[in-house]
Amino acid sequence: RKEVEQDPGPFNVPEGATVAFNCTYSNSASQSFFWYRQDCRKEPKLLMSVYSSGNEDGRFTAQLNRASQYISLLIRDSKLSDSATYLCVVNTNYGGATNKLIFGTGTLLAVQP
Amino acid sequence: GAGVSQSPSNKVTEKGKDVELRCDPISGHTALYWYRQSLGQGLEFLIYFQGNSAPDKSGLPSDRFSAERTGGSVSTLTIQRTQQEDSAVYLCASSFPPRVGNQPQHFGDGTRLSIL
Repeated sequence: RKEVEQDPGPFNVPEGATVAFNCTYSNSASQSFFWYRQDCRKEPKLLMSVYSSGNEDGRFTAQLNRASQYISLLIRDSKLSDSATYLCVVNTNYGGATNKLIFGTGTLLAVQP
Repeated sequence: GAGVSQSPSNKVTEKGKDVELRCDPISGHTALYWYRQSLGQGLEFLIYFQGNSAPDKSGLPSDRFSAERTGGSVSTLTIQRTQQEDSAVYLCASSFPPRVGNQPQHFGDGTRLSIL
């Protein structure tokens, strides 16, 4: 079983739609959680960190449920420019012994005009 | 300000040759990481540096892979006797020290390595 699991998609949605991505992680010791965005043949870019209290950045809302080991990302009013692969990312920092990111395989979003 | 800088952007080499990839992190970032992304695969961790030390090298796939960091800044990833399965995009990231809260990692553009 992969440490971070995501639905690979693709999610094909019309402009203006609301779309939700889900992700689960297996290591209960995981401490930090992120959503990254990766455009085709580009490097991953941080979209937002994810906190237990939930956090919002404009049209984007992220939620973390530690009990269920579940992370979500909601995108409202989708734009064509939102088309990309969304990577669910988990970080386990064992007292400084490591700080590696574990990536899901990504969910492909295609927003249609 | 300047982001993470990697060179070369692209590298094509013959099987069996050695290659060296370079990463220049964001100024002030003491933590540096190497990852790779193979075609159709997710990103996989290779090695983590804090300063010049590498507390976690668990992701290096074989002893043909090595990395070093000098002066707490630039890092080089060396692959000896390259094989075709080494073809991938090699990504470097940097961050502030992870002990200081939740520190996201910022990625360079990557080096696209092709082994013929």
